[in-house]
Amino acid sequence: AQKITQTQPGMFVQEKEAVTLDCTYDTSDPSYGLFWYKQPSSGEMIFLIYQGSYDQQNATEGRYSLNFQKARKSANLVISASQLGDSAMYFCAMREVYYGQNFVFGPGTRLSVLP
Amino acid sequence: DTEVTQTPKHLVMGMTNKKSLKCEQHMGHRAMYWYKQKAKKPPELMFVYSYEKLSINESVPSRFSPECPNSSLLNLHLHALQPEDSALYLCASSQGGEGLIGTEAFFGQGTRLTVV
Repeated sequence: AQKITQTQPGMFVQEKEAVTLDCTYDTSDPSYGLFWYKQPSSGEMIFLIYQGSYDQQNATEGRYSLNFQKARKSANLVISASQLGDSAMYFCAMREVYYGQNFVFGPGTRLSVLP
Repeated sequence: DTEVTQTPKHLVMGMTNKKSLKCEQHMGHRAMYWYKQKAKKPPELMFVYSYEKLSINESVPSRFSPECPNSSLLNLHLHALQPEDSALYLCASSQGGEGLIGTEAFFGQGTRLTVV
């Protein structure tokens, strides 16, 4: 069974608008971490934001925020004030404490920012 | 220094060749990873080294042979590859140890491998 689901293969957003990228996950582990990575066409995976399963508040990092709904097992990424440089693949990933070394990635969402 | 450096950036090899991919980090991380990524797909885990010992091998064919000579270096030796092995190979590192789920992985820029 797929552990991470990203239902939006592609998304378009107008420059300076906000956009939400969806991520749902499946785990029976009580302790886990959720990560978002950006991958431009150059190939490097760039870490954006982290949310722990026991964190009470939603994570924020600059223009990035994570809408964490634990009961729904969702961890959506919100990008505010989109920029042309935000055009890239975005991957949601999970790390579980009982399988602590591995990062499992979702299928990704390709975001295109329009001028 | 928060970099993971991979060499080479591009590699073309024949099916009878032997080559190696190299990865280096100086962040003191004790977990190092090899991922394989096909076009338009997410990275797929191949190997994990924890404290220089192989801890996870995701049923990777033996034509891929990992090596971790020390805590800063990770190699992937390639031999008798097939054209379907052409992909982006990503190295990553993170703080090691069970329970450290709150630490992100740092990735290198990858090696784009083409097998002809």
